[in-house]
Amino acid sequence: EAQVTQNPRYLITVTGKKLTVTCSQNMNHEYMSWYRQDPGLGLRQIYYSMNVEVTDKGDVPEGYKVSRKEKRNFPLILESPSPNQTSLYFCASRGGQGRDGYTFGSGTRLTVV
Amino acid sequence: AQSVTQLGSHVSVSEGALVLLRCNYSSSVPPYLFWYVQYPNQGLQLLLKYTSAATLVKGINGFEAEFKKSETSFHLTKPSAHMRDAAEYFCAVSDGGGSNYKLTFGKGTLLTVNP
Repeated sequence: EAQVTQNPRYLITVTGKKLTVTCSQNMNHEYMSWYRQDPGLGLRQIYYSMNVEVTDKGDVPEGYKVSRKEKRNFPLILESPSPNQTSLYFCASRGGQGRDGYTFGSGTRLTVV
Repeated sequence: AQSVTQLGSHVSVSEGALVLLRCNYSSSVPPYLFWYVQYPNQGLQLLLKYTSAATLVKGINGFEAEFKKSETSFHLTKPSAHMRDAAEYFCAVSDGGGSNYKLTFGKGTLLTVNP
């Protein structure tokens, strides 16, 4: 089954403790992206990657890092999480160009206390 | 810069009634337009998309949307609401500019269906 897999689904952590949210897709997509979803704000892009070793900032990149060492994986790294990063995070991938739409993962609900 | 406005953060309808969720966009180039649905505790699922072919687009679960360039709108409709349609709906635009083809989302509309 074609899918984007995120782990973990739920995570509670403390301020300042580094964490990584993993994302993997099995569709051989070149393009991957991370979004965060907050009530009343919709989804906002954090980072995206056009291909292996090619990443760039989205609209809200502060406090996040990403890497793209393999085509299928696109982890999101929070080096020093803060409470304002409490959110619902989605990884997405797409093939081809913009007309294809994205395939989304099931989401990771992160709480930073 | 592209943007999406969804009118009404919450829409409530009776089962069997018409569903109309409004979406207006701004884009400097011909856009690709999408509607996604999010059921509770789930990710986003693509309902339908407009990619410059037919202006009336049919999607899954009986939903359809019409692209109106003159009104810069892409409203989502369903003739008869069902209880299972209760979810949050997001309109999104990708203008194809540059290489990102970033999806810009509206803030979402929560659809409630009353028995």
